[in-house]
Order: sequence, then C-alpha cells, then structure tokens
Amino acid sequence: DAKTTQPPSMDCAEGRAANLPCNHSTISGNEYVYWYRQIHSQGPQYIIHGLKNNETNEMASLIITEDRKSSTLILPHATLRDTAVYYCIVRSARQLTFGSGTQLTVLP
Amino acid sequence: DAGVIQSPRHEVTEMGQEVTLRCKPISGHNSLFWYRQTMMRGLELLIYFNNNVPIDDSGMPEDRFSAKMPNASFSTLKIQPSEPRDSAVYFCASRPTGEGGNTIYFGEGSWLTVV
Repeated sequence: DAKTTQPPSMDCAEGRAANLPCNHSTISGNEYVYWYRQIHSQGPQYIIHGLKNNETNEMASLIITEDRKSSTLILPHATLRDTAVYYCIVRSARQLTFGSGTQLTVLP
Repeated sequence: DAGVIQSPRHEVTEMGQEVTLRCKPISGHNSLFWYRQTMMRGLELLIYFNNNVPIDDSGMPEDRFSAKMPNASFSTLKIQPSEPRDSAVYFCASRPTGEGGNTIYFGEGSWLTVV
C-alpha cells in the first residue's frame, strides 16, 4: 500500500472552506485515493474517492494533483458537525488500512 | 436501509469471561470486515470475509480471538478468554457486491470494557 501523510490536526472557522491535505508520493497507477471521516463515538463514514480526475459529491470535493502524489479534500462550507478525524487512504486491493488521520476542529 | 447493525453496543465484562460480538451486514453486501480501534493503535483490520469465507485473518491478535460468518447476513467475533487489553471499540463493516473500489460501510461499533 502507498503510505499517506496527513497533518495531525487543523482548525477551520465555521462557514469557511476546510482544505485537508494528504501526501501519497509512492502511489502507483492503479491505486485510488479514498477519504473517510470519523465523528466522535461513531463508525467511519465514506466521503469520496478518486483515481486521477477531480471529484465532487454532495459532501465534498477531491482535488488530485496531476502527478497524483498528493490530494486535497475540500469541505466548501464547514459546519460544527464536520468536526471529526479525516482519513486519507490509498489502496488497490480489497481492504482499507487506516492511518492516524487529521483531527479537524470547526470553530464557531 | 438499516445499515450495518452491531450488538451489543456496550459491554462490560470481567477478565476471563467469553465475549461474543455480533454483526448483521447490509443486505446484498458480500464482503464483511471486523476492525478494532484503540487510542494507542488506531483502527486495525482484524479479519475480512468474502462470500462468507475468511480471506485474511492476519490481523487477529491471537488464538483467543475467533470470527465466523455462518451465512450472508450474520457474523460473530468471539474473545475467549477476555483480557483487560482487549478493551476497545470493535467495528463491523460491509461492502456491496461488485463494488469496484473500497467503499465500505461501518456499523456504530461495540464498546467493550474488560475489567
């Protein structure tokens, strides 16, 4: 599996965009980038995934650099309920391996 | 859709007792995963099943742990005998049939405390 590197914590003001970076410099051509989040006391929740192109859904946008060595998860208008640990995962096979993630705190 | 259902949500047991955690995956999903989460080690994959068959159990910590999936709608994770260091949140997750990637859906977890 490609190793990912994320900052341990970030703050964001409520209503502003939250931009969460992830480095995956050893990613190979067939590996997807996945993002999950875990709100306190809940199970992890799928957010979005992508291979090469940028992706957007109702929760977030995923920007993948052209060389695919890094990506950014964007929450366009963060709310207090977005406070969670965000995991960036790169995987080509069947299971997901979670790292330590980024603790995002949305401040009022 | 009811999602992945786990029981019990919380359990406190004494060291040496047997613990059985249960999971009902989302209907139609053919892969099932058991994870354990602790502050020290984060989220660890214990075992996963595909079509009710265990595929990778390399994450199971020791022989005290066992997992079964007798049918497509039910799985158990058993710890016998339990020890205080087994205290953790145990998550079950499932993935749909034919899913090309790794979009798996987690339950709310079983919070286990062994005293």
